[in-house]
Amino acid sequence: GDSVTQMEGPVTLSEEAFLTINCTYTATGYPSLFWYVQYPGEGLQLLLKATKADDKGSNKGFEATYRKETTSFHLEKGSVQVSDSAVYFCALSTNTGNQFYFGTGTSLTVIP
Amino acid sequence: DTAVSQTPKYLVTQMGNDKSIKCEQNLGHDTMYWYKQDSKKFLKIMFSYNNKELIINETVPNRFSPKSPDKAHLNLHINSLELGDSAVYFCASGFQGGPYEQYFGPGTRLTVT
Repeated sequence: GDSVTQMEGPVTLSEEAFLTINCTYTATGYPSLFWYVQYPGEGLQLLLKATKADDKGSNKGFEATYRKETTSFHLEKGSVQVSDSAVYFCALSTNTGNQFYFGTGTSLTVIP
Repeated sequence: DTAVSQTPKYLVTQMGNDKSIKCEQNLGHDTMYWYKQDSKKFLKIMFSYNNKELIINETVPNRFSPKSPDKAHLNLHINSLELGDSAVYFCASGFQGGPYEQYFGPGTRLTVT
């Protein structure tokens, strides 16, 4: 069945470090891919998305490219800030959009 | 304006009680969802309604019963609460079909003592 596998955390980085959070997926057909962010005490917010192969989603300095050949959608940021400390979720939506499949979440802590 | 709202934000209750959580969305979406997030942040879908029709009903105890009076509202009623029900419950909404994201509410933190 459809699923998302996300790198386990927690991840701790120093401010201005480079961030990569790995995400791979299994899906029939052509899913849409998403990254959500959850700040402490809040709900999930859409960070970025890509709806077809080779699309690059970007927002707030974060980027992820939909790679069909490697079934991946890795999240990257060139220079993290303390305010980026949060839990990040990779997700996919099936063609019919009936259901989202979320990864297990990766907790990121950025220290000054 | 709040897009997806939930009430209450916090709910503390004793074992055996019955409680409800309400959700409303003003985005015009046709599909609404309930998720449960455990202490390790794992997110599990529980139910989904499309235009008031139940379309996803994952394996959850039948003590949990969703109700959708209209496509802008989806409530969750829980009977005979147990300690293991303690979690954060999120409501979400979106459009069914196609590459549409889901919008999440702020969550309801349920603590059963």
